[in-house]
Amino acid sequence: EADIYQTPRYLVIGTGKKITLECSQTMGHDKMYWYQQDPGMELHLIHYSYGVNSTEKGDLSSESTVSRIRTEHFPLTLESARPSHTSQYLCASSANMWTGELFFGEGSRLTVL
Amino acid sequence: RKEVEQDPGPFNVPEGATVAFNCTYSNSASQSFFWYRQDCRKEPKLLMSVYSSGNEDGRFTAQLNRASQYISLLIRDSKLSDSATYLCGGSGSARQLTFGSGTQLTVLP
Repeated sequence: EADIYQTPRYLVIGTGKKITLECSQTMGHDKMYWYQQDPGMELHLIHYSYGVNSTEKGDLSSESTVSRIRTEHFPLTLESARPSHTSQYLCASSANMWTGELFFGEGSRLTVL
Repeated sequence: RKEVEQDPGPFNVPEGATVAFNCTYSNSASQSFFWYRQDCRKEPKLLMSVYSSGNEDGRFTAQLNRASQYISLLIRDSKLSDSATYLCGGSGSARQLTFGSGTQLTVLP
C-alpha cells in the first residue's frame, strides 16, 4: 500500500472561502504532483514539485497555489473558492518519474456552493 | 493536439473475451510508458509499465511501438473484476507524466 495521505477526503464549502487541501507522503519521494479530475473525465496536472522549494504549474491553468517547504508535505490552497473549483483533487508522488510509477492519494472531493 | 490520446470507449465485452486498447503519443522524446487502472471514484493505480520488448503479467500484455508511437494493452480471458477505466501515459515534455483520457471497460456476465 502507498503511504500517501490526503485530507480532507470530502469538503463542501461556500463561495469565497479559503481552503487548503493537505497531502503528505512518508516514502521520502522528491517528486510530488497535484491532479484535478472531474467525474468520468481525464486527469489534468495542475502543479508539481521536484523537491523542497521547487514548484511548477502544470498543463491545466489553476487558480490554486502550492508550497513545498518539507519533502513529505505538498499542500494546495485556494484563496477564494468558487463553484468552478468543484472537482476531485488527487495528490501523487514518485521516486523516479522515468519508471512511471506514481503513488496516488485517495483524493479530496471538493464541492463549492 | 494532446500528447497522449486513447479511445474513450466504452468497451463492453462478455466475460472471457480478449480486449485490446491502443494509445498514441505525440512526443517522440517520451522515454517511459505505462498503464494505470482506475476504479470508479477511486485513485489510479499502476497496472504495468511498458517496455520496448513488451511485457506480460498474467492475463495482461503491454507493448510499445516506437515507430508508430503507440502503446497497447491486451487483456485475455477478461473477468468481471477487470471492469474499470484504463489510463495510458508517458513521460511528456517538461519532464511531466502525461495521461490519456482513459478507456472505460465493462465486462459483462
